[in-house]
Amino acid sequence: SQQGEEDPQALSIQEGENATMNCSYKTSINNLQWYRQNSGRGLVHLILIRSNEREKHSGRLRVTLDTSKKSSSLLITASRAADTASYFCATARDNYGQNFVFGPGTRLSVLP
Amino acid sequence: DGGITQSPKYLFRKEGQNVTLSCEQNLNHDAMYWYRQDPGQGLRLIYYSQIVNDFQKGDIAEGYSVSREKKESFPLTVTSAQKNPTAFYLCASSIVPGASSYNEQFFGPGTRLTVL
Repeated sequence: SQQGEEDPQALSIQEGENATMNCSYKTSINNLQWYRQNSGRGLVHLILIRSNEREKHSGRLRVTLDTSKKSSSLLITASRAADTASYFCATARDNYGQNFVFGPGTRLSVLP
Repeated sequence: DGGITQSPKYLFRKEGQNVTLSCEQNLNHDAMYWYRQDPGQGLRLIYYSQIVNDFQKGDIAEGYSVSREKKESFPLTVTSAQKNPTAFYLCASSIVPGASSYNEQFFGPGTRLTVL
């Protein structure tokens, strides 16, 4: 079964608005990572949050992690049309943090 | 897409034929992975390798085979035993983390395989 599940499956917003995507997982983790995929391309790593961290920022990205609820959220502020992509969370299968499970992703559309 | 290349970008195969997808990296990473992605879905792990001459089955290895003769190369063969091979295939690599380190995966641009 999938370790990570993103929600919503699809999200459509206007340029300038904020976009929030959520990820839930089932077992304990060492870290959780978010990736982005443009249509028909490979994935690109966005940000990693460790299990002992609650919030992390990178540019317009903000990631939160709630280990008690086994959930994470990715916030993209002041969205741009170029943010249109699918976003995936990934959690490690084991304590070595190497072999990941990816959720089905959230497809974000930012309308100009 | 970092230092990982996949070829070809598009591949067409007739039913009953084997086909090999190429994946090469110049990042000096020890670990390499193959994923399959179907439309609107996440990634499913086919095979992974942590070191040369060693590889492990992932969640959906049936009908696929791999080799890891060189650190920089991890080709995937889709055999005729794979019943539904039409999909987008992604290769990735990473360092092999130590006990207290965390790693990210670097992905290639993907190969779209279509069975005619």
